[in-house]
Amino acid sequence: RKEVEQDPGPFNVPEGATVAFNCTYSNSASQSFFWYRQDCRKEPKLLMSVYSSGNEDGRFTAQLNRASQYISLLIRDSKLSDSATYLCVFQGASGSARQLTFGSGTQLTVLP
Amino acid sequence: NAGVTQTPKFQVLKTGQSMTLQCAQDMNHEYMSWYRQDPGMGLRLIHYSVGAGITDQGEVPNGYNVSRSTTEDFPLRLLSAAPSQTSVYFCASSYGGGPTDNSPLHFGNGTRLTVT
Repeated sequence: RKEVEQDPGPFNVPEGATVAFNCTYSNSASQSFFWYRQDCRKEPKLLMSVYSSGNEDGRFTAQLNRASQYISLLIRDSKLSDSATYLCVFQGASGSARQLTFGSGTQLTVLP
Repeated sequence: NAGVTQTPKFQVLKTGQSMTLQCAQDMNHEYMSWYRQDPGMGLRLIHYSVGAGITDQGEVPNGYNVSRSTTEDFPLRLLSAAPSQTSVYFCASSYGGGPTDNSPLHFGNGTRLTVT
């Protein structure tokens, strides 16, 4: 089983739609979770961290399900500017340095 | 602040050539790292450093060397380029590098490398 499994998409949704992505992880020792956004041919940028109790940032909601070992990202009222690839990232707690594992990304296109 | 600066943006090498990808950050970050990104795969860690004078191997270190003589700079050297090293390379840094550090990773703009 891959360390991180992420549906590559593409997800094509109309403006204003709600869309959700899941990402599963195999390392139960993972302690920190993030969503990064990567625009076409650009560098990844942190979108939001994912906290145990779930968290919101405007139209974006992130959730963590430790029992089933997945995180999710919900985008409400999609905008054209949300078109990007969304990367899930897990951080383990073993060793003496942070160990980040990236998913391969889910591609989202928001259509006018 | 410039953030993380990577050079060059594009590079074409012939098999067997060597080169150095430069990475510099001006945020006084402890942690610096190099990733490669290939289609259909997540970013994979090549090497990382938790401070000046300290480097360690990541998931895919073969064929690459690094050094960290200053806090600011973390160059990546390709010793003898191979077509399998054709990829997009990202340098990234964060304030801390400990196993529970949650500070955001700041990425450079990337270097698109083609090895023929």
